[in-house]
Amino acid sequence: KNEVEQSPQNLTAQEGEFITINCSYSVGISALHWLQQHPGGGIVSLFMLSSGKKKHGRLIATINIQEKHSSLHITASHPRDSAVYICAPWRGGSQGNLIFGKGTKLSVKP
Amino acid sequence: NAGVTQTPKFQVLKTGQSMTLQCAQDMNHEYMSWYRQDPGMGLRLIHYSVGAGITDQGEVPNGYNVSRSTTEDFPLRLLSAAPSQTSVYFCASSATSGSADTQYFGPGTRLTVL
Repeated sequence: KNEVEQSPQNLTAQEGEFITINCSYSVGISALHWLQQHPGGGIVSLFMLSSGKKKHGRLIATINIQEKHSSLHITASHPRDSAVYICAPWRGGSQGNLIFGKGTKLSVKP
Repeated sequence: NAGVTQTPKFQVLKTGQSMTLQCAQDMNHEYMSWYRQDPGMGLRLIHYSVGAGITDQGEVPNGYNVSRSTTEDFPLRLLSAAPSQTSVYFCASSATSGSADTQYFGPGTRLTVL
């Protein structure tokens, strides 16, 4: 059983649409990272959060530690948002406790 | 700052060959790690290091060795390459091993073992 589940696995949207990507996990964690992997393969960190909500530009991330769920929202989506978005919960302790979802592949059409 | 660099970008090996994937960071980060990414799977931790001279195994360490003689460098050695090691390899670093730190990833090395 996967400890981290992301949904949907694939998502196609029209430019301008509001996007939601969900992440559920089955283990206790102290924080959660959202990562973006570009079509060329590079991975960048978007957010780290341990409670509530964070916003950066058109991206918003929320987390409910008790319900073991996090969401990543993109407002006014744009073709340049097309990427794979990866949820990575942190179980605490050393880096060995960072676990990764399989990712959600987002394609935004103009 | 170059951030996290990896070389080579692409590599083709024959079964049984050995090689070293290079990783370097210029941010004076304490923590460095190696992951592999396979189709349909999340990133999986191979080895990690919490500082120079200290390394430990991750989820999938078999067939790989690491060492950390300096803060900057964290090479990954494939001892005797196998087709199952065909993957994309990412090196990452963070200021400390704590969960609050931003993770910085290298551009990846795409390895094919024939």
